[in-house]
Amino acid sequence: AQKVTQAQTEISVVEKEDVTLDCVYETRDTTYYLFWYKQPPSGELVFLIRRNSFDEQNEISGRYSWNFQKSTSSFNFTITASQVVDSAVYFCALGVMEYGNKLVFGAGTILRVKS
Amino acid sequence: EAQVTQNPRYLITVTGKKLTVTCSQNMNHEYMSWYRQDPGLGLRQIYYSMNVEVTDKGDVPEGYKVSRKEKRNFPLILESPSPNQTSLYFCASSPSPTITDTQYFGPGTRLTVL
Repeated sequence: AQKVTQAQTEISVVEKEDVTLDCVYETRDTTYYLFWYKQPPSGELVFLIRRNSFDEQNEISGRYSWNFQKSTSSFNFTITASQVVDSAVYFCALGVMEYGNKLVFGAGTILRVKS
Repeated sequence: EAQVTQNPRYLITVTGKKLTVTCSQNMNHEYMSWYRQDPGLGLRQIYYSMNVEVTDKGDVPEGYKVSRKEKRNFPLILESPSPNQTSLYFCASSPSPTITDTQYFGPGTRLTVL
């Protein structure tokens, strides 16, 4: 079965702290895709990153970075120097074509950044 | 503007009264999908469609119906809503007919079934 676990239900940090959101996935397939989405308080879902299983290169985009490790089935997301505007719910998701083209989401991590 | 639209945005109804939530995209996307979001459960896929007239069940299809008669539209139908279908619903579309591509989400529909 395909599964995504975001063990951190809620994280609170003070502005300018670095914070890492964990994502652990389960799949037997060798070809899969991982995604991160952000849901700010306004409620919309904003795409952040897509990674396929053959590309283990870590990625950095401004204050955001992602660490993909197949050996531990993890795709963690780090925000450097967090800001209040980063407060949101963050979802990790797994897509496996052999699983019928479905997308499986984790339960999400609520990030609260205090000033 | 490229977008996914959903209507209505908010709906309060009563048990058993059939309803339809519309979803439309103007990006000529192949893949469309419906999700429900519940606290502590994240988003769960209800149904998806890889192309016109091709639909398939997601992980929580019970109590829902869909159709894809045109490429741009993918309505979600609740024939006999029940209180456990109270949720936040999102429609999404994606350029590729497979799950490999980024999905673009609509603004959400908050449904309350009394």
